[in-house]
Amino acid sequence: QLVLTQSPSASASLGASVKLTCTLSSGHSSYAIAWHQQQPEKGPRFLMKLNADGSHTKGDGIPDRFSGSSSGAERYLTVSSLQSEDEADYYCQTSDAGILVVFGGGTKLTVL
Amino acid sequence: QVQLVESGGGVVQPGRSLRLSCAASGFTFSNYGMQWVRQAPGKGLEWVSVIWYDGSKQYYADSVKGRFTISRDSSKNTLYLQMNSLRDEDTAVYYCARDNFVGFQDVWGQGTTVTVSS
Repeated sequence: QLVLTQSPSASASLGASVKLTCTLSSGHSSYAIAWHQQQPEKGPRFLMKLNADGSHTKGDGIPDRFSGSSSGAERYLTVSSLQSEDEADYYCQTSDAGILVVFGGGTKLTVL
Repeated sequence: QVQLVESGGGVVQPGRSLRLSCAASGFTFSNYGMQWVRQAPGKGLEWVSVIWYDGSKQYYADSVKGRFTISRDSSKNTLYLQMNSLRDEDTAVYYCARDNFVGFQDVWGQGTTVTVSS
């Protein structure tokens, strides 16, 4: 079964960096994922599509502060030089050949 | 600019029907698959359905299979979600999204709220 696992919460200080993790279920370590950001009271925004080899395609206007990387079944989103507007929920998402779409439970990022 | 605008949400009684629309602009609608994703109050994102770029295939989450129908009208650049036999647990904000890279959303609408309540 295709499942994505995220930690419910993370925190980091203003100006610091934070690395969020999304873990693919067993047998699915080759899958690409996408990262989406949802600021409070807003709709989601596509950040990037991240492949198993670490290559990624960002959405329009996404700052260089947002980067992605991969290791085995883990997919990471690193946010550098944290700003107050980065405080948001971050969701990873994947798909099985476009037929089934799965979201992780989301990570709530608090900027201290 | 690329834009998706949902409409059609509202308050509806359990067992009744509702049709959502999503108007697309700023891109060639017929070249892209489209999805519906929902978010219940205080909860995470839940995928609902996808339709291929040419309308030839549709897939659904188990929670809505047999009750919801996704469709599109490329002459009107509009995506639809027909929701029948609505349940309390269908209460959510419904987002439409452009499907790029096969199965991945790269543009989102602002959402429309559906409340199922007696």
